[in-house]
Amino acid sequence: SQQGEEDPQALSIQEGENATMNCSYKTSINNLQWYRQNSGRGLVHLILIRSNEREKHSGRLRVTLDTSKKSSSLLITASRAADTASYFCATDSTSGSRLTFGEGTQLTVNP
Amino acid sequence: EAGVTQFPSHSVIEKGQTVTLRCDPISGHDNLYWYRRVMGKEIKFLLHFVKESKQDESGMPNNRFLAERTGGTYSTLKVQPAELEDSGVYFCATTHFNTGELFFGEGSRLTVL
Repeated sequence: SQQGEEDPQALSIQEGENATMNCSYKTSINNLQWYRQNSGRGLVHLILIRSNEREKHSGRLRVTLDTSKKSSSLLITASRAADTASYFCATDSTSGSRLTFGEGTQLTVNP
Repeated sequence: EAGVTQFPSHSVIEKGQTVTLRCDPISGHDNLYWYRRVMGKEIKFLLHFVKESKQDESGMPNNRFLAERTGGTYSTLKVQPAELEDSGVYFCATTHFNTGELFFGEGSRLTVL
């Protein structure tokens, strides 16, 4: 299995609801990042959380990190149709700088 | 400031042909990465340049793939000869520092028929 596995693979919600996506990883990390990809576009960085941080906020985004469980969650509050996209977590290990991505969660927000 | 630019956005070639993908980084970004996403699967690392040097090419699938970054500016990724399983989206990403946020291009979609 892969470093940086997201679940669920797909999530469909109504506008205004909250969306929670989870990510698990296997090796020790320096930091964990979340990216968004709109269909046919490049990945856009959303937020970075360092290994010594437990929670971080940015606008409607809330990220948590539990290094003991090697897991992270991304919460999008008050979702909008424009939040429809694929969301990826990415980790960089303590042994190298490259990011390792998972398969992503496809979020659909219905108006 | 211009972002990461990739060309072509979509390429359709026959099996056995050659394709060259190009990436122009954000000015001043010494670190340049190539990633690939095949069939909606995970985004997989291919290689990492620091300026013109290959820092890590452990993700390159085989010797049909050749990446260059002459002069430490733009980079090319050549696939020769292309196989069906090479189809996917090839992303380039750059950054000034070797940790932290990556800036991605919009990808080059390769379809091998």
